[in-house]
Amino acid sequence: GEDVEQSLFLSVREGDSSVINCTYTDSSSTYLYWYKQEPGAGLQLLTYIFSNMDMKQDQRLTVLLNKKDKHLSLRIADTQTGDSAIYFCAEISDTGRRALTFGSGTRLQVQP
Amino acid sequence: DSGVTQTPKHLITATGQRVTLRCSPRSGDLSVYWYQQSLDQGLQFLIHYYNGEERAKGNILERFSAQQFPDLHSELNLSSLELGDSALYFCASSVRGLGGDQETQYFGPGTRLLVL
Repeated sequence: GEDVEQSLFLSVREGDSSVINCTYTDSSSTYLYWYKQEPGAGLQLLTYIFSNMDMKQDQRLTVLLNKKDKHLSLRIADTQTGDSAIYFCAEISDTGRRALTFGSGTRLQVQP
Repeated sequence: DSGVTQTPKHLITATGQRVTLRCSPRSGDLSVYWYQQSLDQGLQFLIHYYNGEERAKGNILERFSAQQFPDLHSELNLSSLELGDSALYFCASSVRGLGGDQETQYFGPGTRLLVL
């Protein structure tokens, strides 16, 4: 079945780059997403990448996809305290149901 | 603001009771999805509706049901509530949800349910 895994916690200093990693098992994944959840808030879509792409850049965010290894990463440049949140990786498959499968989330803590 | 609205924001009820959560999708979106977020299970897909029709079911209990109305808003009904049903319930919408770029799901702020 589908499975998405993430490390649970990452701590960085303000101004540094953060890299959040994700692995998935479904080889038919078509789109892979990054969502951000701040305390007590909903899920904010940050960015997504189509499975035929290797990289996508959007301002401070860079998404890298290694389809062979089923590895996805999110790099946040110049990390700010406002970036402190839980980041969820999610995938959607081209087969079967059209629902997101989420990782467990990575809590990013940015130290001033 | 994603454009997806959910009501109520918070709900406190007792075991055995029944509640209804409501979701209005973004203007123009035909697909509505329901997800449950709990501490032990994480974010889990419950059910997907497209233009009024049920499209897929995930880990939805038989005590739970949903529907999507002609105006495309959706309701999630939770009955015979148990303590373990306490969670954050999210609704998401997408343009079509049938493939391609129109899969992208936008989430509402959630309804926090506490069963005492």
